[in-house]
Amino acid sequence: EDQVTQSPEALRLQEGESSSLNCSYTVSGLRGLFWYRQDPGKGPEFLFTLYSAGEEKEKERLKATLTKKESFLHITAPKPEDSATYLCAVQAIGGANSKLTFGKGITLSVRP
Amino acid sequence: GAGVSQSPRYKVAKRGQDVALRCDPISGHVSLFWYQQALGQGPEFLTYFQNEAQLDKSGLPSDRFFAERPEGSVSTLKIQRTQQEDSAVYLCASRRAGSHSNQPQHFGDGTRLSIL
Repeated sequence: EDQVTQSPEALRLQEGESSSLNCSYTVSGLRGLFWYRQDPGKGPEFLFTLYSAGEEKEKERLKATLTKKESFLHITAPKPEDSATYLCAVQAIGGANSKLTFGKGITLSVRP
Repeated sequence: GAGVSQSPRYKVAKRGQDVALRCDPISGHVSLFWYQQALGQGPEFLTYFQNEAQLDKSGLPSDRFFAERPEGSVSTLKIQRTQQEDSAVYLCASRRAGSHSNQPQHFGDGTRLSIL
């Protein structure tokens, strides 16, 4: 069974204080690992897809990396507007459904 | 451009009532997914459509849950004889490609269902 574990559950940062969010996963075969951002009362907003170990993607202050067992979302010099819940999800190879299996999310708070 | 649209945004029902939740996917998107998100949890898969065909319904919690997408566009998730444990946010997502694709899924803002 595919599993995703995210840590820590919550993270409080001072504006400008860089940090990393962890996503550990087990999957029979990885078709893709996805990062989403979710604001209160909203649906998840797509950030990145990673396909293979060693891959990295960047967008503004965010950088996502992938190994065979985990992914990191690095946040450089965060701003208060980066406060949100960050969700990690995996899609397995095989089967017709291509469903996403999500972790519980990491709630990030950035203080000005 | 228009994203995934869900209605109603909020639904309150009494235990035992039937409810219907609507999803309008992004135009032209072949794949449509339903997820259930409990408070403080990540979304959990319910069912998947490719066009009008329901290819996977393995995540539906019971036979009280039923989903359809008759013309391969709009989808409806119906819950019969609602129970308190059905209270959650129901998210719809769509994707341009069909099954076996690793394109990202794009989510609507969900319907928050509260069962009294």
